[in-house]
Amino acid sequence: EAGVAQSPRYKIIEKRQSVAFWCNPISGHATLYWYQQILGQGPKLLIQFQNNGVVDDSQLPKDRFSAERLKGVDSTLKIQPAKLEDSAVYLCASSSSVGIYQPQHFGDGTRLSIL
Amino acid sequence: DQQVKQNSPSLSVQEGRISILNCDYTNSMFDYFLWYKKYPAEGPTFLISISSIKDKNEDGRFTVFLNKSAKHLSLHIVPSQPGDSAVYFCAASAIQGAQKLVFGQGTRLTINP
Repeated sequence: EAGVAQSPRYKIIEKRQSVAFWCNPISGHATLYWYQQILGQGPKLLIQFQNNGVVDDSQLPKDRFSAERLKGVDSTLKIQPAKLEDSAVYLCASSSSVGIYQPQHFGDGTRLSIL
Repeated sequence: DQQVKQNSPSLSVQEGRISILNCDYTNSMFDYFLWYKKYPAEGPTFLISISSIKDKNEDGRFTVFLNKSAKHLSLHIVPSQPGDSAVYFCAASAIQGAQKLVFGQGTRLTINP
């Protein structure tokens, strides 16, 4: 079974520029998550999708972050404009919706550096 | 408000001995708990989980214990191997919270030969 795929692996931009990340979840996984992991901390959920609908985006800074999952499979996360504090690893995860208590499976993330 | 806490940033254990990683939580609505292992430059890998209806779950060398009254869980690794050196994250979720995971800060485990 192929895992969660993310690209790019690394991105360096200047503050106020825009950036986008892409995620392809495990085949058949209806639920998709984007997390932000700042150095020395645990991952923090930004947004959760169930198919192509948003379940939870309460911690997404909506003035600069946006995310979409148009066909219920791939997803993109965008930051515009970027701030220095957005330097972090952005992780995508997916889980099956069959039954309760399904673990989330993570991709390797995109490391974003803001100059 | 740190709902899930791992108070030990690092732990060093000799190869072959038991490693015990601890995690505390404050939200009594949490009913599903997971441990993830993370190597550098990779995403977290699911290790083991436990639901609140159990107090122990075992998978090979890994055992998770849950003490609901103390709001505490622990991960035991026996025997510890060099490949277990990684950062371990504790996470918790609640069915009523759409299974949103809340992570601790992580504990860096180093296994010494």
